[in-house]
Amino acid sequence: SQTIHQWPATLVQPVGSPLSLECTVEGTSNPNLYWYRQAAGRGLQLLFYSVGIGQISSEVPQNLSASRPQDRQFILSSKKLLLSDSGFYLCAWSRPLAEQYFGPGTRLTVT
Amino acid sequence: QKEVEQNSGPLSVPEGAIASLNCTYSDRGSQSFFWYRQYSGKSPELIMSIYSNGDKEDGRFTAQLNKASQYVSLLIRDSQPSDSATYLCARYSSASKIIFGSGTRLSIRP
Repeated sequence: SQTIHQWPATLVQPVGSPLSLECTVEGTSNPNLYWYRQAAGRGLQLLFYSVGIGQISSEVPQNLSASRPQDRQFILSSKKLLLSDSGFYLCAWSRPLAEQYFGPGTRLTVT
Repeated sequence: QKEVEQNSGPLSVPEGAIASLNCTYSDRGSQSFFWYRQYSGKSPELIMSIYSNGDKEDGRFTAQLNKASQYVSLLIRDSQPSDSATYLCARYSSASKIIFGSGTRLSIRP
C-alpha cells in the first residue's frame, strides 16, 4: 500500500527566515506530486505540481519554490518567509488521471 | 464563475437523518469527480470517486452524478456525530490537476 509522509508536522518561523518542507511517498513509482496551502477557514490553494523528476509547474507566483530531486520526494522552499505564508501545507500524490491522496500536513506559523 | 461550487454551510442535520451535500461544476467536459472529508485541523481524505452518471454506493455514502445538469451530490445515511466535518467536492481537470470546491461544513446534532 502507498504511504505519504510530511515533515515537520508543525513549524514556527520568524519573518524573513528560510523554509524547507519535505514530502515523500512510499509504495508507488512515478507519482504525480502536489503542494497545496490552506489558510485558516479557507479552501485548498494549489501551489505546485510535478509529473516527474525535475518537472515543476507553478500555479501561483509568490516567494515559494518547489523541487523534486527524486521520484518520490517533493520539497517546498522559501528563501524569506512572509507573514502571509502562514497556513496548513499539504502534499498530495496521485497516479495519472486519478484521485489524489493527501499527507498529514505541516502547520506553519510565521511570526 | 467558480469551477466547482459548493454551499459553504454550515449544514445542520439531526443524528440518524440523511445529509445531502451538493456541488455544481462549470466544465461540461469533466469526467471524474471526487468527494473528500476534512476534519478540523486534519488533511482531506478521499471518500468517493464517481465517473459515470447515476449513483454509486459505499456503505452509508452514496455519490450521485448528473453530467447533463452538471451536478454531483453526496448523501450520508444514518448520519452520526463523527460525520461532522467539511466535505470537499472536486473534479479532475486537464494537465494532471484536480479542481476543489471550497467545501461545505456539515454538523450532525445529537
